[in-house]
Amino acid sequence: AQKITQTQPGMFVQEKEAVTLDCTYDTSDPSYGLFWYKQPSSGEMIFLIYQGSYDQQNATEGRYSLNFQKARKSANLVISASQLGDSAMYFCAMREALIQGAQKLVFGQGTRLTINP
Amino acid sequence: NAGVTQTPKFQVLKTGQSMTLQCAQDMNHEYMSWYRQDPGMGLRLIHYSVGAGITDQGEVPNGYNVSRSTTEDFPLRLLSAAPSQTSVYFCASANRGRTEAFFGQGTRLTVV
Repeated sequence: AQKITQTQPGMFVQEKEAVTLDCTYDTSDPSYGLFWYKQPSSGEMIFLIYQGSYDQQNATEGRYSLNFQKARKSANLVISASQLGDSAMYFCAMREALIQGAQKLVFGQGTRLTINP
Repeated sequence: NAGVTQTPKFQVLKTGQSMTLQCAQDMNHEYMSWYRQDPGMGLRLIHYSVGAGITDQGEVPNGYNVSRSTTEDFPLRLLSAAPSQTSVYFCASANRGRTEAFFGQGTRLTVV
């Protein structure tokens, strides 16, 4: 079974600093996808970034980048130049194939990031 | 730009009551699913659907029913609410060939 591990329950970072949120995964499937979602205090789940297992380059989306190290089975999220609005819960998730092309997301326990002014 | 709409946003039930959480999407997505989020945990899959008339169980299906009569709607029914079903429920949709799933705003359910 697939598993996602996020070992940092909480992180505190000064505004404008870069921050790395850790994520390790376990799967026996050769084809998989990794996601990061942000959950602010309002509760919604916001998609940030995606990395496919066969992607040669690390994914980037604006200030977000995914440090994908396949051999180590890690998919860390890097946020550059953090902002107060980045304070939220962050979830790493892995895509698991279901019937007829549907997909299930397997989530880690999350990391609560707090940006200090 | 409605996306995925869940109603209600908040609900309090008494043990043994039944209710339906509504989910609608306007993106013509094939796949829809329901997750629950408990304190200190990530989301766990309850049920999912790959199209109208086709549903299947996720990892925590007990106590819940679903049906999908249209592409747009995917309601989640609690048959006899229990305190263990106190949680935040998320509906999500996705399309074939796309990567990300789009989530609704969530429904915070308390069973007393």
